[in-house]
Amino acid sequence: GQNIDQPTEMTATEGAIVQINCTYQTSGFNGLFWYQQHAGEAPTFLSYNVLDGLEEKGRFSSFLSRSKGYSYLLLKELQMKDSASYLCAVRDQGSNYQLIWGAGTKLIIKP
Amino acid sequence: DSGVTQTPKHLITATGQRVTLRCSPRSGDLSVYWYQQSLDQGLQFLIQYYNGEERAKGNILERFSAQQFPDLHSELNLSSLELGDSALYFCASSLRGEETQYFGPGTRLLVL
Repeated sequence: GQNIDQPTEMTATEGAIVQINCTYQTSGFNGLFWYQQHAGEAPTFLSYNVLDGLEEKGRFSSFLSRSKGYSYLLLKELQMKDSASYLCAVRDQGSNYQLIWGAGTKLIIKP
Repeated sequence: DSGVTQTPKHLITATGQRVTLRCSPRSGDLSVYWYQQSLDQGLQFLIQYYNGEERAKGNILERFSAQQFPDLHSELNLSSLELGDSALYFCASSLRGEETQYFGPGTRLLVL
């Protein structure tokens, strides 16, 4: 079956680094997306991985290991505005290339 | 600003009523997706249209229907509304059907 797991909630300190993990099981992996969603707002695209390895974009990096069905989003130099939910989504060939969404990880940043 | 627009931003209605939500995709995008997000819940995929044709269906109730018009804007129709239909409804668009999805600001529906 298809399944995506992320921690429900994480807490981190302003200025620190946090890693949000995502594990997945799908019938036909075809890429993994990370989105950020502030409460009551639309998800915004952060990163896309389809090959193994690390993709870096400023303070945010995303890593993928296809053999392990595992990804993480790394946020550095945390700012208060990074308080949001982070959604992991996997594109699945077996579902006509639809995105299978995780429930999201709510990240709380403390001063 | 993603370039995807949705109207209205807020909608308050009563149980049993029918509403229509509207979405205009980013310029050049052919695919439109509809999602439902209830309070503190994850995104639930409802339906996808590509260039006017239904491409994929998710957990869409029979009371809900959608269409995409020749100018590529899309409408989501919700009928016989129930209290549990209160949620944020997002529209997203992508170039064809396999690229990054960009989300509109959403319509917040409250059924009283």
